[in-house]
Amino acid sequence: DTAVSQTPKYLVTQMGNDKSIKCEQNLGHDTMYWYKQDSKKFLKIMFSYNNKELIINETVPNRFSPKSPDKAHLNLHINSLELGDSAVYFCASSQGRRLNQPQHFGDGTRLSIL
Amino acid sequence: GQQVMQIPQYQHVQEGEDFTTYCNSSTTLSNIQWYKQRPGGHPVFLIQLVKSGEVKKQKRLTFQFGEAKKNSSLHITATQTTDVGTYFCVPTNAGKSTFGDGTTLTVKP
Repeated sequence: DTAVSQTPKYLVTQMGNDKSIKCEQNLGHDTMYWYKQDSKKFLKIMFSYNNKELIINETVPNRFSPKSPDKAHLNLHINSLELGDSAVYFCASSQGRRLNQPQHFGDGTRLSIL
Repeated sequence: GQQVMQIPQYQHVQEGEDFTTYCNSSTTLSNIQWYKQRPGGHPVFLIQLVKSGEVKKQKRLTFQFGEAKKNSSLHITATQTTDVGTYFCVPTNAGKSTFGDGTTLTVKP
């Protein structure tokens, strides 16, 4: 009965590869997010979707492309992975459209680039 | 744009001591949330403050929202080893929430 689930939990891959991370929430929330957390624990928002519509797109390289097939899913595809992409990526969701609602986070995907 | 400063960045205390982390904004906030992230875990929502001067308590944790709605604090009384982790403030302004840089707390038993 996990609320926000991400797969995979760990991802180790070579520089230049393309990879995807999946996220699903069963809370009935309308808004979903992707965050990147670096080694210093800084948590930076990357994207936010509301009912499949992109509402936040921070300054993120074009190599990162989110996709929301429905409001319960938000996937993240990364092309041409670089060393600096190594981080923990968190998916989150919140109720409604307003971006000031409490967020529920997944367990994170630990991405390591060799 | 909104500038948020969370201090201190790190705090190491002896078990039983008190701990406080502060969040300061350059602009007036709509509300502020606090999250806790345990080592190796994910951020977990603790509380949301909305009203000027609001004070809320959760057991040993006391959350305050400043009168001017520009700053907030989280105070833990008599820390325990289970309090270790990173505490984030998340201020909201102009309908957008931004995570502070966090305060990482370590507790020596």
